[in-house]
Amino acid sequence: DAGVIQSPRHEVTEMGQEVTLRCKPISGHNSLFWYRQTMMRGLELLIYFNNNVPIDDSGMPEDRFSAKMPNASFSTLKIQPSEPRDSAVYFCASSQGYQPQHFGDGTRLSIL
Amino acid sequence: SQQGEEDPQALSIQEGENATMNCSYKTSINNLQWYRQNSGRGLVHLILIRSNEREKHSGRLRVTLDTSKKSSSLLITASRAADTASYFCATDGGNAGKSTFGDGTTLTVKP
Repeated sequence: DAGVIQSPRHEVTEMGQEVTLRCKPISGHNSLFWYRQTMMRGLELLIYFNNNVPIDDSGMPEDRFSAKMPNASFSTLKIQPSEPRDSAVYFCASSQGYQPQHFGDGTRLSIL
Repeated sequence: SQQGEEDPQALSIQEGENATMNCSYKTSINNLQWYRQNSGRGLVHLILIRSNEREKHSGRLRVTLDTSKKSSSLLITASRAADTASYFCATDGGNAGKSTFGDGTTLTVKP
């Protein structure tokens, strides 16, 4: 299996721009998670989906952040407008039921 | 705050030595997992221990779980330079597979 695929791997953009991060989960997995990792705050769960439905978005920091999962094989995390404090590594992970999560290699986002 | 807290935050040892990392958590769990993260990469699952298990082995890894103390330990025996990474514990309270991760222990194994 190809594993969880995230794109882009790196993104550098200016403050105020819209940023879209993409994730393709492992085929057959029914749960998808978006995390943010920073030195200061560690690994934070932003939102997770089960069977394409958002279950818990309490970790989404602000209304500037939104996530969608239009089908079982694709999800996006959007930040609009972006701010320098959004700079972090964003991970997508997927799992089947209560099985361990499989992580992508992340998107390193830098907002100037 | 995070459910799991690892201790120590950083650990530096010589190749061949054993490395022990600890994790404490706050609420009841269904299982506890350990993950590894190499620099610049995503987390990789290492081992899962269920709440009714006390010890589990996988190769050079040994995990213990003490639910009465709400703590777990990860032992890596005969460490290698390639074991250099950050190690995270994650607890699963049974909420649709959602896991809560600790802050991690950064392990450096010197050749």
